[in-house]
Amino acid sequence: SYVLTQPPSVSVAPGQTARVSCGGTDIGDHGVHWYQQKPGQAPVLVVYDDSDRPSGIPERFSGSNSGNTATLTISRVEAGDEADYYCQVWDTSSDHLYVFGTGTKVTVL
Amino acid sequence: QLQLQESGPGLVKPSETLSLTCTVSGGSITSDTSYWGWIRQPPGKGLEWVASVYHNGNSHYNPSLKSRVIISVDTSKNQFSLKMSSVTAADTALYYCAGGKYNWNYGIDSWGQGTLVTVSS
Repeated sequence: SYVLTQPPSVSVAPGQTARVSCGGTDIGDHGVHWYQQKPGQAPVLVVYDDSDRPSGIPERFSGSNSGNTATLTISRVEAGDEADYYCQVWDTSSDHLYVFGTGTKVTVL
Repeated sequence: QLQLQESGPGLVKPSETLSLTCTVSGGSITSDTSYWGWIRQPPGKGLEWVASVYHNGNSHYNPSLKSRVIISVDTSKNQFSLKMSSVTAADTALYYCAGGKYNWNYGIDSWGQGTLVTVSS
């Protein structure tokens, strides 16, 4: 089945920019979704279809996707952005339709 | 605002069947565009898709779990359910019910709070 690889951790100072990568073969051919999960809470969709934001998600969250890497960018990072972030794709080429990335812990220094 | 709530036993014995139900409120489970499912997360680990279904019963399963899992819909109760047979300790996880539109083509935008299922004798 399709594999999505994320760095285990990313650290960023408040006010700076955090970038979380999600690697997969030809991931640029897939629509990528990103979820934020804070401790003890359910995941929340923060970016869908590569770069669109659900209503209520700050503009500081943005996404891009090309080639073999998708990226979630969090601008002007705040303490409240500290969380685990997961990428996810819909892989119609196999029976394993919905694949999640390995997850990245974003730490705000 | 769509709300999802999981219910079911928190403790299941090895080799027995895990049964969970998700109650949907704030919207109809029979919406033509809506797609429902279960995602689990073992303690301290990442997210794993288990199974998903349309209100008409058209379902999809994680191939690694397919032989042990059944997902179903009860439109009269606005609920969908998961049954997983022959459970082992490896099935211990937080189980989330979830919803979205069009085969989750726009992501999974509704999640339950999750229910912890522990497999232990």
